[in-house]
Amino acid sequence: DTGVSQDPRHKITKRGQNVTFRCDPISEHNRLYWYRQTLGQGPEFLTYFQNEAQLEKSRLLSDRFSAERPKGSFSTLEIQRTEQGDSAMYLCASSLLDNEQFFGPGTRLTVL
Amino acid sequence: QKEVEQNSGPLSVPEGAIASLNCTYSDRGSQSFFWYRQYSGKSPELIMFIYSNGDKEDGRFTAQLNKASQYVSLLIRDSQPSDSATYLCAVRKAAGNKLTFGGGTRVLVKP
Repeated sequence: DTGVSQDPRHKITKRGQNVTFRCDPISEHNRLYWYRQTLGQGPEFLTYFQNEAQLEKSRLLSDRFSAERPKGSFSTLEIQRTEQGDSAMYLCASSLLDNEQFFGPGTRLTVL
Repeated sequence: QKEVEQNSGPLSVPEGAIASLNCTYSDRGSQSFFWYRQYSGKSPELIMFIYSNGDKEDGRFTAQLNKASQYVSLLIRDSQPSDSATYLCAVRKAAGNKLTFGGGTRVLVKP
């Protein structure tokens, strides 16, 4: 499968714990995006990388959230001190230049 | 006012009929427009995109863009029960890379 992959697909954690998600984009895509989607809503932009540089970050992204893309390939999104309000589907997408974005299957986070 | 607005539905359509979905956007700097389909519990899947005013057809789908009126629509011809899903409209501004999504329109195609 040459599409975007995400790991894990599901994560259940207790409030206050740290979690980390991984995204592997389509191999030739230089742009990588993270979005968050809650039930009944469209995805909301979190952050964007072009190669290894994080070029845009939403104001939605509090200090507890950090994302990296160290070698311009895979990316990680870490949430520290999780809160119940962080429960959502975390979606990763990739694109080549200004083209359309392709989404991975998502990581569903449940914070108890 | 939300940047991208869609009627949440559900839009109920008989099998074989045309489903018509609308989306309005507030930022005149929006450059490109995307329609995604999302099945329950799954991630968004790109249907098509449009950049220029007018119509763009891809199989049973037609996207229509009117920048003067700031709306984009999606027509689904010969609707099938497998088309039952939530349809998300997204816009990208000329100066940015992120997509801004509407809340989606739920479509139900009844056999």
